[in-house]
Amino acid sequence: DAGVTQSPTHLIKTRGQQVTLRCSPKSGHDTVSWYQQALGQGPQFIFQYYEEEERQRGNFPDRFSGHQFPNYSSELNVNALLLGDSALYLCASSLVTGKSGEQYFGPGTRLTVT
Amino acid sequence: AQSVSQHNHHVILSEAASLELGCNYSYGGTVNLFWYVQYPGQHLQLLLKYFSGDPLVKGIKGFEAEFIKSKFSFNLRKPSVQWSDTAEYFCAVTLNTGGFKTIFGAGTRLFVKA
Repeated sequence: DAGVTQSPTHLIKTRGQQVTLRCSPKSGHDTVSWYQQALGQGPQFIFQYYEEEERQRGNFPDRFSGHQFPNYSSELNVNALLLGDSALYLCASSLVTGKSGEQYFGPGTRLTVT
Repeated sequence: AQSVSQHNHHVILSEAASLELGCNYSYGGTVNLFWYVQYPGQHLQLLLKYFSGDPLVKGIKGFEAEFIKSKFSFNLRKPSVQWSDTAEYFCAVTLNTGGFKTIFGAGTRLFVKA
């Protein structure tokens, strides 16, 4: 049973560029959430996708956008990268019918913006 | 605004010492509560969760946590820590607002001396 997978593992981009990160949820899960974890901080909720739609969003600018595909996998896109976007980006999957909101996390993508 | 506060950023203990990590949240509605752990080089993984019933919950590896609704707290405890408990611990609160939105604390780095 594959857990949550993310690609790529590491990425280096230049200010102003655009980046796409990918996530495959745990088998059987239908909901994907994305988080940004800056160094020394806890994960910050970016948004959540279910049925290919954004259901919840945290306090992130429109430069952060996402997509969910029919197979439940998801992408996180960040436009016009800033130095402050350097962080570990985590994907978490869950079941929308799950009572507790328990999530399973992937290993993350380390994004460095220079 | 909803928030989660973890009282200690760094904790150093000797093996066999008792552990208590504090967590308080600010949200007046119904919440589900979690402690996640991140061992060095590994993914975030669930340690324990509470969403209803007995406010004292037990998790993996001898950890437990107590939900005190009147204090908006969900403190993590372990009677006797081991060197292998060295990790970063995150308290998280999930709000059901039409979808699950999870807010994490900043984390507590625990170092257990052998």
